[in-house]
Amino acid sequence: ELKVEQNPLFLSMQEEKNYTIYCNYSTTSDRLYWYRQDPGKSLESLFVLLSNGAVKQEGRLMASLDTKARLSTLHITAAVHDLSATYFCAVDKVRQGAQKLVFGQGTRLTINP
Amino acid sequence: NAGVTQTPKFRVLKTGQSMTLLCAQDMNHEYMYWYRQDPGMGLRLIHYSVGEGTTAKGEVPDGYNVSRLKKQNFLLGLESAAPSQTSVYFCASRVAGEYYNEQFFGPGTRLTVL
Repeated sequence: ELKVEQNPLFLSMQEEKNYTIYCNYSTTSDRLYWYRQDPGKSLESLFVLLSNGAVKQEGRLMASLDTKARLSTLHITAAVHDLSATYFCAVDKVRQGAQKLVFGQGTRLTINP
Repeated sequence: NAGVTQTPKFRVLKTGQSMTLLCAQDMNHEYMYWYRQDPGMGLRLIHYSVGEGTTAKGEVPDGYNVSRLKKQNFLLGLESAAPSQTSVYFCASRVAGEYYNEQFFGPGTRLTVL
């Protein structure tokens, strides 16, 4: 059974600091997704990582994937208040067909001025 | 394009009542999904559909039924609501074929069962 675990689950940090959210998963997969959710809102796609060693960056966020370690990281550089949200990683359960995603628990990120 | 829309946005039910949640997408996507989101547990897949007239069970299907009579709509039904079904429900859709495409999510329906 595929399990996806994120840590930390809660993260409070100051602006301008750097930090990393970790996403571990239990079975082989080479497709991993990061989503952002603001309070009371839907999920917004951030990154799609498709292969070992994949790295993607958008603004102050950078995501990477190590399929051998079954680990993805979401790195935040010089955090700003606007990045406060809950971040989810999700792993694709099947290689073909309907793409059933298994989500991590989410990391609630609060960035304080 | 409206993307993925959900109706209603909020609903309060009493135990034993029934209701149907509607998901509609205007992107001509083949695949559609229903998830529930509970605090501290992320999203869990309830049912999904790979095309008009087809549905399949996800991770937590008990107590729910679904139908996909039209390609653009995916309905989630609760025949006899229970307090354990209090949750936020999200619908999602994606295009078929390129299996690594991300799913697009609707705004959610907040359901409370008393």
